[in-house]
Amino acid sequence: AQSVTQLDSQVPVFEEAPVELRCNYSSSVSVYLFWYVQYPNQGLQLLLKYLSGSTLVESINGFEAEFNKSQTSFHLRKPSVHISDTAEYFCAVSYNTDKLIFGTGTRLQVFP
Amino acid sequence: ETGVTQTPRHLVMGMTNKKSLKCEQHLGHNAMYWYKQSAKKPLELMFVYSLEERVENNSVPSRFSPECPNSSHLFLHLHTLQPEDSALYLCASSPFTDSPYEQYFGPGTRLTVT
Repeated sequence: AQSVTQLDSQVPVFEEAPVELRCNYSSSVSVYLFWYVQYPNQGLQLLLKYLSGSTLVESINGFEAEFNKSQTSFHLRKPSVHISDTAEYFCAVSYNTDKLIFGTGTRLQVFP
Repeated sequence: ETGVTQTPRHLVMGMTNKKSLKCEQHLGHNAMYWYKQSAKKPLELMFVYSLEERVENNSVPSRFSPECPNSSHLFLHLHTLQPEDSALYLCASSPFTDSPYEQYFGPGTRLTVT
């Protein structure tokens, strides 16, 4: 079955430290990958996406994710986090359809 | 208004009540979605509408009834709900034909069933 796994339900980190949020998906020939962020009391916002081309994609606020086909992963990284990055992060996959399959989310908690 | 809006933002209802959730998108998109977000679970896709026609219904109980009168508006009518239906209900839209894989979400309606 098609699935997305976010192994870490919570990731605590101090401000200015690096962070990696892990995402793995079940293998497929053609796949499109997304990271969404949800701030408290808000809906999901698209953070970045991989559709084709360069396997490294970046967001405007310093996050990046790398599509690794051999490891079926799309981990999200940021070299130095801010307090304002505290939120829930969702990895999502589309297997060549309009439907998105979401992971269970990772709560990133940034401490001062 | 821009993006995707949802009203009300919070709703408390008894099990015998009837209420409706409203979603409106101002993006000119062709597809709209209802999701249920419960704690510790992945987002559950409930309904998909494309050009005002329902194209997906993921075995959702009949106490949830969607309505899409036009491509900008989506409703979720609720009746005789159960306490386990308490959750955040998210609406989303997508261009569908131009970029079928990217969805834009509203802020959600926090529903509590008592």
